[in-house]
Amino acid sequence: NAGVMQNPRHLVRRRGQEARLRCSPMKGHSHVYWYRQLPEEGLKFMVYLQKENIIDESGMPKERFSAEFPKEGPSILRIQQVVRGDSAAYFCASSLEVEEKLFFGSGTQLSVL
Amino acid sequence: SQQGEEDPQALSIQEGENATMNCSYKTSINNLQWYRQNSGRGLVHLILIRSNEREKHSGRLRVTLDTSKKSSSLLITASRAADTASYFCATGLGGAQKLVFGQGTRLTINP
Repeated sequence: NAGVMQNPRHLVRRRGQEARLRCSPMKGHSHVYWYRQLPEEGLKFMVYLQKENIIDESGMPKERFSAEFPKEGPSILRIQQVVRGDSAAYFCASSLEVEEKLFFGSGTQLSVL
Repeated sequence: SQQGEEDPQALSIQEGENATMNCSYKTSINNLQWYRQNSGRGLVHLILIRSNEREKHSGRLRVTLDTSKKSSSLLITASRAADTASYFCATGLGGAQKLVFGQGTRLTINP
């Protein structure tokens, strides 16, 4: 049973480009969470999704950021017109039930040049 | 803010000693969880303690929860070099709510 899969592992973008981060949850998990982590800091919640629904996006900037978890396929975190401040590690996690233990992916390190 | 705060921010001890990390939070919770993160990797779940529990053990880990003081502690006994990592507490409020993580404690075990 594969764990949470995130890709790419590393992503380099120039300012103004788009970044797409993918996350496949563990098999059978319908709850997906995206977190952002800056160096030497904790994880900051961004968005919580269930299949085809955004449940809580209170941690996600209103502009340039969007997330989806379609009926088929991985969850996608999309950042449009990236800026240097978007450089961070983005982690996806999934759970079987809400608030039960989270299983994390290895993260995507986004670097904006 | 519901966010947990770990204390200390950094801890360095000798191998074989016990390590204690604390977490405080501000609001009512449904459960509290501890995670470990090795450098450059994702978080790994260690232990979950529910609001009606006071203590829980898992191997060399012991977690306590005091809901009256809104605090939790994580004790790692007989530490090993492989325990070197950052440790985070996360609190859950109930309902369709996300877990909220603290800033973490960076633990270094010196051989």
